[in-house]
Amino acid sequence: SAVISQKPSRDICQRGTSLTIQCQVDSQVTMMFWYRQQPGQSLTLIATANQGSEATYESGFVIDKFPISRPNLTFSTLTVSNMSPEDSSIYLCSVATGPYEQYFGPGTRLTVT
Amino acid sequence: DQQVKQNSPSLSVQEGRISILNCDYTNSMFDYFLWYKKYPAEGPTFLISISSIKDKNEDGRFTVFLNKSAKHLSLHIVPSQPGDSAVYFCAASGMTGNNRKLIWGLGTSLAVNP
Repeated sequence: SAVISQKPSRDICQRGTSLTIQCQVDSQVTMMFWYRQQPGQSLTLIATANQGSEATYESGFVIDKFPISRPNLTFSTLTVSNMSPEDSSIYLCSVATGPYEQYFGPGTRLTVT
Repeated sequence: DQQVKQNSPSLSVQEGRISILNCDYTNSMFDYFLWYKKYPAEGPTFLISISSIKDKNEDGRFTVFLNKSAKHLSLHIVPSQPGDSAVYFCAASGMTGNNRKLIWGLGTSLAVNP
């Protein structure tokens, strides 16, 4: 497994602004993922963050809205841009240390007013 | 279209009894299944998994059963403890193009009553 931390743990933001969420892992990992969990919903994959290349986005998510950086094998950021109340959600990063299991950070609870 | 379904949003059991959480899937290409537990204000925690080539995997109080023909899996917790009270997510793993992804159910909220 891996120990994963996220910053901030929660934030309240005004619409039209942007928030950058940081994800730090205690060991080098190849695969990092960003998820969103909206109220009452399941986890939805936003993108896979690949070190040294552009992130791979899932259908319905675009780089302009959710730019991702992956500067090294232990760190990634997700920015939620030009926020609206619909972006209120829990944002989670995860890592895969093998082919199947993923390990998650504690999440960032975002409220957009 | 929900490829992984957890049809029971909630479940309540007495301490010491068995908890059975169910999960159904529709995509026969899924080849690995996982259960996660999630407490409020925390990220999901990996609990137990099973490969599609097996029908049972056991780890302490937790056992996962897989019925491939029915596209159904279940998580058994015995004996249940109050600390098991959490939301349990079923996830299925499969290849999409060159990438392996997890597809998640909506979760079942388990309450274990003392």
